[in-house]
Amino acid sequence: EIVMTQSPATLSVSPGERATLSCRASQSIGSNLAWYQQKPGQAPRLLIYGASARTTGIPARFSGSGSGTEFTLTISSLQSEDFAIYYCQQYENRPPITFGQGTRLEIK
Amino acid sequence: QVQLQQWGAGLLKPSETLSLTCAVSAGSLSGYYWGWIRQPPGKGLEWIGEINLSGSTNYNPSLKSRVTISMDPSNNQFSLKLNSVTAADTSVYYCARGQQYQILWGQGTLVTVSS
Repeated sequence: EIVMTQSPATLSVSPGERATLSCRASQSIGSNLAWYQQKPGQAPRLLIYGASARTTGIPARFSGSGSGTEFTLTISSLQSEDFAIYYCQQYENRPPITFGQGTRLEIK
Repeated sequence: QVQLQQWGAGLLKPSETLSLTCAVSAGSLSGYYWGWIRQPPGKGLEWIGEINLSGSTNYNPSLKSRVTISMDPSNNQFSLKLNSVTAADTSVYYCARGQQYQILWGQGTLVTVSS
């Protein structure tokens, strides 16, 4: 099973600033990585798949990069609605699909 | 647009069987994998398993001995059964569409296991 490790656990950023979230896989997963956003009481929402492709309707301020074992989600200019928990997920080596433990993005 | 609506018992006793159903509206089961993911309160996401219209299933090895995912094409639904539940199975359970990444999610059902 591939273990996904996200860092940091909590990230405090001011609105308008850039946020950079990291995700590391325990072995190479190519570009088979997705990012999700989850707000309290809601189901996760798919933001990015294929490490860098934005889902329809996701604003351009969200971007994903990386391949192999190191991945990054960047939010270029934080809006109030972006403060949430973010999860990475690998689907290279399945079953099982595995998720990171999440990064909580909070307002500084 | 395609939506997922899920339901099932929210309170179980230890050793009982969890049973949830997810209905697909405004769309077909064909051409996709349909699955279940769970999230213990305040914790991260755990993939449970998936099924397609042909009945092909994949399960998380950690749950495989207790899980059955099935499909009811006549009602455009699929279901999850998890037997011999314990308190560790207390979670919000989500149904979702997608074999690799999950682009469409149900609203979630909190299932609590308590004596």
